[in-house]
Amino acid sequence: DTEVTQTPKHLVMGMTNKKSLKCEQHMGHRAMYWYKQKAKKPPELMFVYSYEKLSINESVPSRFSPECPNSSLLNLHLHALQPEDSALYLCASSQGRNSYEQYFGPGTRLTVT
Amino acid sequence: AQSVTQPDIHITVSEGASLELRCNYSYGATPYLFWYVQSPGQGLQLLLKYFSGDTLVQGIKGFEAEFKRSQSSFNLRKPSVHWSDAAEYFCAVVTNNAGNMLTFGGGTRLMVKP
Repeated sequence: DTEVTQTPKHLVMGMTNKKSLKCEQHMGHRAMYWYKQKAKKPPELMFVYSYEKLSINESVPSRFSPECPNSSLLNLHLHALQPEDSALYLCASSQGRNSYEQYFGPGTRLTVT
Repeated sequence: AQSVTQPDIHITVSEGASLELRCNYSYGATPYLFWYVQSPGQGLQLLLKYFSGDTLVQGIKGFEAEFKRSQSSFNLRKPSVHWSDAAEYFCAVVTNNAGNMLTFGGGTRLMVKP
């Protein structure tokens, strides 16, 4: 299994809602990532989890809250988002130490109304 | 700071023609370089990678890339383009010692004419 899965595929939420994005991989990878991608732009790194510990937070606003319950799962909890947070949210994973290639999921298209 | 530049925002080629997408990097040591492809509304798929060794690397879908240290380049090539190759292509470089930060170029959108 060489797949990273993400649910839901699409999400529409109001600015007062709370929702979560889910990412799962069963490749035995120990590093997982959240990226944000706006239209016609490259992905921007948000968070990195390494061995279930948050290792990088790229100064992301607190309305985005990541969680890594175990080595296969990564969640992104969303609360009080702004319309400018509408984007494609990509999850990725990599083996961990000394392995640099990242494998991406299909993304969740988020629209904040 | 490490960075990667893709000089061409859009490229259009005819089906069956050859393709070269340019990527230039800025990095002091030997870089770890990647090419990814993204179809509309989809995630990124890894095409190929360069870490060390042979400077001509083969990837999936008939793509190859050549690392040229003297030119700080890692250009992607394909001898004969298929209509299904139309997509956005990103060059990326690892930018920290832990190997878990990728910096992406701005991307090149490839259009294929029938």
